[in-house]
Amino acid sequence: GAGVSQTPSNKVTEKGKYVELRCDPISGHTALYWYRQSLGQGPEFLIYFQGTGAADDSGLPNDRFFAVRPEGSVSTLKIQRTERGDSAVYLCASSLSSRESAYNEQFFGPGTRLTVL
Amino acid sequence: AQKVTQAQTEISVVEKEDVTLDCVYETRDTTYYLFWYKQPPSGELVFLIRRNSFDEQNEISGRYSWNFQKSTSSFNFTITASQVVDSAVYFCALRTYTGANSKLTFGKGITLSVRP
Repeated sequence: GAGVSQTPSNKVTEKGKYVELRCDPISGHTALYWYRQSLGQGPEFLIYFQGTGAADDSGLPNDRFFAVRPEGSVSTLKIQRTERGDSAVYLCASSLSSRESAYNEQFFGPGTRLTVL
Repeated sequence: AQKVTQAQTEISVVEKEDVTLDCVYETRDTTYYLFWYKQPPSGELVFLIRRNSFDEQNEISGRYSWNFQKSTSSFNFTITASQVVDSAVYFCALRTYTGANSKLTFGKGITLSVRP
């Protein structure tokens, strides 16, 4: 079946602009995660959705970052007033419900490479 | 707080050599899961193996094996008879068993280069 998809694959924007990054999880996966991966680093957690609600947004760096998942499937990560330091690969992952078990592995998408000039 | 340390940054081996990737973790939780992911040049993270904190039995799966030792908080991963296609960045990750907070905490990764 189809894996996690993310669009766009690359996004170049100017400092101060607004961007939206989209994630389409694996069908039937109720848990959805956003991570950010800077060059030479491991992915860092941003936010986790269980269904439509954000169960944990402790990784969002500041209030310029926001994410939604209105129908419990597709999620959009929104970044306002982008800064050069926001440049990174933004990864989305999905898994079966996390309420039952943290055993379920997370399946990752190919990522969106964001470059802020 | 959780922390994963991958002290090795880059490893280079010749094809058919065995290679072990080290991982040390920190957590105060008694129940947790450990994972290894592979990130090839294409960029997509691929799940490799997982182990829960209750099971220290070490296993072999094809060319992959792992050594989990709670006493030293280590979860090392070995590739036997390495191949060029194994060249990638390998991440160790930790996940605690808390329903409301199931994020993965990753190490910085180890870049493995397998030369023909």
